Amino acid sequence: GAGVSQSPSNKVTEKGKDVELRCDPISGHTALYWYRQSLGQGLEFLIYFQGNSAPDKSGLPSDRFSAERTGGSVSTLTIQRTQQEDSAVYLCASSPEQIYGYTFGSGTRLTVV
Amino acid sequence: KNQVEQSPQSLIILEGKNCTLQCNYTVSPFSNLRWYKQDTGRGPVSLTIMTFSENTKSNGRYTATLDADTKQSSLHITASQLSDSASYICVVSANGDYKLSFGAGTTVTVRA
Repeated sequence: GAGVSQSPSNKVTEKGKDVELRCDPISGHTALYWYRQSLGQGLEFLIYFQGNSAPDKSGLPSDRFSAERTGGSVSTLTIQRTQQEDSAVYLCASSPEQIYGYTFGSGTRLTVV
Repeated sequence: KNQVEQSPQSLIILEGKNCTLQCNYTVSPFSNLRWYKQDTGRGPVSLTIMTFSENTKSNGRYTATLDADTKQSSLHITASQLSDSASYICVVSANGDYKLSFGAGTTVTVRA
């Protein structure tokens, strides 16, 4: 597609439920990133995928968080047993290279009640 | 630890006026610095990107400066418009590191 597409745009879930957030990167972009943006905070790195290499998961805050990237394209971020502190905007970005050309999606606003 | 500090946290200006946003960073070794504009409910959109050798770059009414010696950058908005109301985020990249360092952003509100 023309840009990075994320779905859903908004998600309200009950505490303890699992959620899946989807990111569809720009076609041909080999690098894909997930970030979390909490109110008043800078973007927090979560996970990085580059081609067929093992992903860098060092930013995932707990083992309740996991992410996959199938076929080098679409990525899914899964949060299990959601907690209220998981409420944030989750942003996906893709890039043709590691350093330049970041394009962000519009994000998924997650609210855990 | 690589850090990016932005100031002010927020500001309000009248339409047509100018304003300047500040960014200080401790990221090393420095690769590049970007300014992003993030409208409410949208993802960040790149305004400018500067490498070590560049000390100014413009994009329409937005002009960014970089002083790599003092590790400071500024974003100047000229003749502000209502559509400039957004959060402006300073992002710094270190050489060989794909994990960008993000500032918390400056929220700009332009009033008629």
